[in-house]
Amino acid sequence: DTGVSQNPRHKITKRGQNVTFRCDPISEHNRLYWYRQTLGQGPEFLTYFQNEAQLEKSRLLSDRFSAERPKGSFSTLEIQRTEQGDSAMYLCASSLEGDLYEQYFGPGTRLTVT
Amino acid sequence: KQEVTQIPAALSVPEGENLVLNCSFTDSAIYNLQWFRQDPGKGLTSLLLIQSSQREQTSGRLNASLDKSSGRSTLYIAASQPGDSATYLCAVRQPGGSYIPTFGRGTSLIVHP
Repeated sequence: DTGVSQNPRHKITKRGQNVTFRCDPISEHNRLYWYRQTLGQGPEFLTYFQNEAQLEKSRLLSDRFSAERPKGSFSTLEIQRTEQGDSAMYLCASSLEGDLYEQYFGPGTRLTVT
Repeated sequence: KQEVTQIPAALSVPEGENLVLNCSFTDSAIYNLQWFRQDPGKGLTSLLLIQSSQREQTSGRLNASLDKSSGRSTLYIAASQPGDSATYLCAVRQPGGSYIPTFGRGTSLIVHP
């Protein structure tokens, strides 16, 4: 399968714990995006990478959140000291460089903070 | 700041009906508009991408139109089927270099047999 993959698909954690999600983009895509989606809402942008460089971060990305893409391939999103408000679907997408190219989304990681 | 609104929020129709889903945006200076489908608990599947210079795109039973000047797009689904049941999202991208789309909240569609 050559689509965007995300792991794990589901994560349940207790408040205060740290969690890390992984995204593997389509291999030739040099852009990678992270979004958060809560129930009944559209996806909200968190951050994006072009190759290994993190080029933009949303104000939604508090200092408890950190994202990396060390080799310009897969990316990780870590949430430290999770809060119940962090419960959401975390979506990853990738694309070729350029605004004309569409984004391809992964299946998402559903996070539940108890 | 760009705002994207989708109407209706929810729709329930019998199989076979032709449907129109609406998407409106406040800033008409867009690069492109994309329609997605999302099944419950799943990621997004791209349906159609319309560049700002285009008026419509078609794929199978789906047709999306774009009227930039009025800030509107419609997604037309012909001969709806139960398998079309999902949430449909539209997203617009604006020039400025960041390529970040702004999404609407979606239209939740149920097609019943």
